[in-house]
Order: sequence, then structure tokens, then C-alpha cells
Amino acid sequence: NAGVTQTPKFQVLKTGQSMTLQCAQDMNHEYMSWYRQDPGMGLRLIHYSVGAGITDQGEVPNGYNVSRSTTEDFPLRLLSAAPSQTSVYFCASSGGTPGYGYTFGSGTRLTVV
Amino acid sequence: DAKTTQPPSMDCAEGRAANLPCNHSTISGNEYVYWYRQIHSQGPQYIIHGLKNNETNEMASLIITEDRKSSTLILPHATLRDTAVYYCMPFSGNTGKLIFGQGTTLQVKP
Repeated sequence: NAGVTQTPKFQVLKTGQSMTLQCAQDMNHEYMSWYRQDPGMGLRLIHYSVGAGITDQGEVPNGYNVSRSTTEDFPLRLLSAAPSQTSVYFCASSGGTPGYGYTFGSGTRLTVV
Repeated sequence: DAKTTQPPSMDCAEGRAANLPCNHSTISGNEYVYWYRQIHSQGPQYIIHGLKNNETNEMASLIITEDRKSSTLILPHATLRDTAVYYCMPFSGNTGKLIFGQGTTLQVKP
């Protein structure tokens, strides 16, 4: 039982490049979310999903796309990387009912140069 | 979205109880109070949650006021490993939208 798995753990991108951060969970959780955490700051919600085929915007969605074709996977796409997107990205999943807290992955550390 | 207010930082002596307050005066009737912590740069870790009644688990106790406008997380015997940022937030589980505030940085000192 791996929990929430994020890949890659580290990534360096050049400005303008695109990439996809992967997130997978094996707990059959309906809810999944993406957060970013800038150095010394709190977590901000980017996008979230309450089930396959259903996504919604969080606090800071600009510059990111998501889709949820399966329950297990929730990839985050950076369309055209900018230095302002340098951050640590966390994916999380939850069973979706009270009593199910979110389980977080270990994060992807992204640097855009 | 309901807002929360927490003190930016607190200190606690090792072995003593750490009491972390949280104000959530705009919490809705169907929202639970959740507490998470983040140790250094790791992913946040779920601690405890409650609706109206006080709750206790192996990590902590949660005291919620009768009007539900505030709560206190209690770490009964803090250790150096409890040094972390602690977040409280309302969450109903209906929308899936979990918003973090600024949290409280707890420093446990020897």
C-alpha cells in the first residue's frame, strides 16, 4: 500500500517549457488535490477533484491544467513554465467523507530557470 | 471559505503540554475542524478532527468550544519531534476543497 506517490521528486525546467507532474494513489480515494508551497510560505490550493471526470479550480489555478480520467491518477500540467512557478508541489487524496483526512504525497520540488 | 486565525508562533518546553489555539468563528454547521501539521518540508500530516465533541487519539486531543467558534489542539507531552507548523481548518468533506491558513509554528525546546 504505497499511499500517494508523486513523480518526479525533483525537476528543473527552463522558462517556457511544459511538463506534467504525476500523482497516483492506491487507496481508491475519490478526492484528490494539488497544492503549491513557495519557500517559507503556506500551502495554496491549485486544483482539486471530487471524482473521475470532475475537477475544479482552487486558489491559484492560473498556469496549470488538470484532468482526472481515472480514480487513481491526477496529473498536473504546467503549460509554459515561469520562474514564479518555482515551488514545492504536493498532491493529496481523501476518501471524501468526514473522518477521512487528506493523505499527502512527499512532494515534487520544481525549479524554473 | 471559512477563515481561521492562529498565532504565528509558539514555544513549548520538551515534556510539557503544548496548547495550540485556533479561531474559526465563521465555521458552518456541517464543517468539521481538522488539524494537520507539517514537519520541515515534508507533506502535511493529518492529526485529528472533530465536529462538536472533544476528541482524542494517539497523537493529540482536540477541544472544541460549545459555540464551535474556536478550538485547541493539545499535545500532552511535547517532544522535539513535534516541532512543526500546525494548521487548523474547517472542512465539510462535501466539496473536497481544503484550504490551509498560515498556521502556527511550534518550537519545542529542550
